[in-house]
Amino acid sequence: GESVGLHLPTLSVQEGDNSIINCAYSNSASDYFIWYKQESGKGPQFIIDIRSNMDKRQGQRVTVLLNKTVKHLSLQIAATQPGDSAVYFCAESLRDNFNKFYFGSGTKLNVKP
Amino acid sequence: GAVVSQHPSRVICKSGTSVKIECRSLDFQATTMFWYRQFPKQSLMLMATSNEGSKATYEQGVEKDKFLINHASLTLSTLTVTSAHPEDSSFYICSARGWPSYEQYFGPGTRLTVT
Repeated sequence: GESVGLHLPTLSVQEGDNSIINCAYSNSASDYFIWYKQESGKGPQFIIDIRSNMDKRQGQRVTVLLNKTVKHLSLQIAATQPGDSAVYFCAESLRDNFNKFYFGSGTKLNVKP
Repeated sequence: GAVVSQHPSRVICKSGTSVKIECRSLDFQATTMFWYRQFPKQSLMLMATSNEGSKATYEQGVEKDKFLINHASLTLSTLTVTSAHPEDSSFYICSARGWPSYEQYFGPGTRLTVT
């Protein structure tokens, strides 16, 4: 299968600080990337996505950056809140098969009050 | 946003029995539904992809006779775990996509425990 991995398995941040969660992918044919948030015992929740023809995309308090040169994806969360505590997954799909999402191993974000 | 439900949310069954899990798209027509499996503290692994009215496509290593998938309508897909064993205990998550969107909307998951 494709390789989508994360640099940090856990991340602890102080409430109010900014969080950066990283993800590496291996296939240059990857065309679509998504970040999901998963709280304990629940299904993944869509956060933000980005196509390969973009370098940056912003949402509410979240920004996704894509560096195709080094095959790196990051999720930035501004002013992290306790409710942001969860496991974050990046997912990737290929240009010729956007049906399949390959998920990374996940990063657990702990927000300390 | 689009809502996907799963039923049941939790199920405990005895070894050797079969269990059916339902996945419904509540406010959109899902041309494609996906079934994932997730072990504790691990990522989601795609099991199969199903398109409405056609047979499911299973990922390598997933037994199609053990994990029966039916996608009979644009709002419902079912996963039946047949002759369940303790090693089938896992969190099963479905997702749904409506054409032409790329986005997959995930259900809340079903916790299966086989005793």
